[in-house]
Amino acid sequence: EADIYQTPRYLVIGTGKKITLECSQTMGHDKMYWYQQDPGMELHLIHYSYGVNSTEKGDLSSESTVSRIRTEHFPLTLESARPSHTSQYLCASSEWVGELFFGEGSRLTVL
Amino acid sequence: AQKVTQAQTEISVVEKEDVTLDCVYETRDTTYYLFWYKQPPSGELVFLIRRNSFDEQNEISGRYSWNFQKSTSSFNFTITASQVVDSAVYFCALSEFSGAGSYQLTFGKGTKLSVIP
Repeated sequence: EADIYQTPRYLVIGTGKKITLECSQTMGHDKMYWYQQDPGMELHLIHYSYGVNSTEKGDLSSESTVSRIRTEHFPLTLESARPSHTSQYLCASSEWVGELFFGEGSRLTVL
Repeated sequence: AQKVTQAQTEISVVEKEDVTLDCVYETRDTTYYLFWYKQPPSGELVFLIRRNSFDEQNEISGRYSWNFQKSTSSFNFTITASQVVDSAVYFCALSEFSGAGSYQLTFGKGTKLSVIP
């Protein structure tokens, strides 16, 4: 069973608010990822990290930012949320190629 | 650039029927990995299988089986005697190996499977 946790599971906020989505894993994995999932199911990589103090942007441009100060923690921040940010955000970690362990996701709604 | 195509957006089957989910991929690399993930209604993606490009042997795990054919760039997934618990969105994914260690996963758009009792 994967040990990767995301909070909050659901969040409804107003436009302009700053939010942070938390992601923690207890498996000691170096690689961590954030995916954004459309209502139509498609997954887009928005950020990834291969270790502490390493962060990169993914294929889909995102106004969010991430940090990786500790191995187990990979938070995602939106400085000023907008309705276009409404989506499901999935965090994942891995040790081996492609064998990602996913959290349950954070579903964000911006009004 | 790598690409994964899952042409079936939604499939509905009656319980106990067999169902095959198609996956076609594109890559210029000779070394790559293919995957299937399951996303049940709870939202969490679950890893099902990984195959490397040098291993074309088909695999069976219980009611699940995978058919990897390099000649047609396909990695299809079959569920035998489907059950209601198989209802989920299934994603096929591809990872090219990069010498820099960039194990990037490219996902297909997913196939939503509904198994009707």
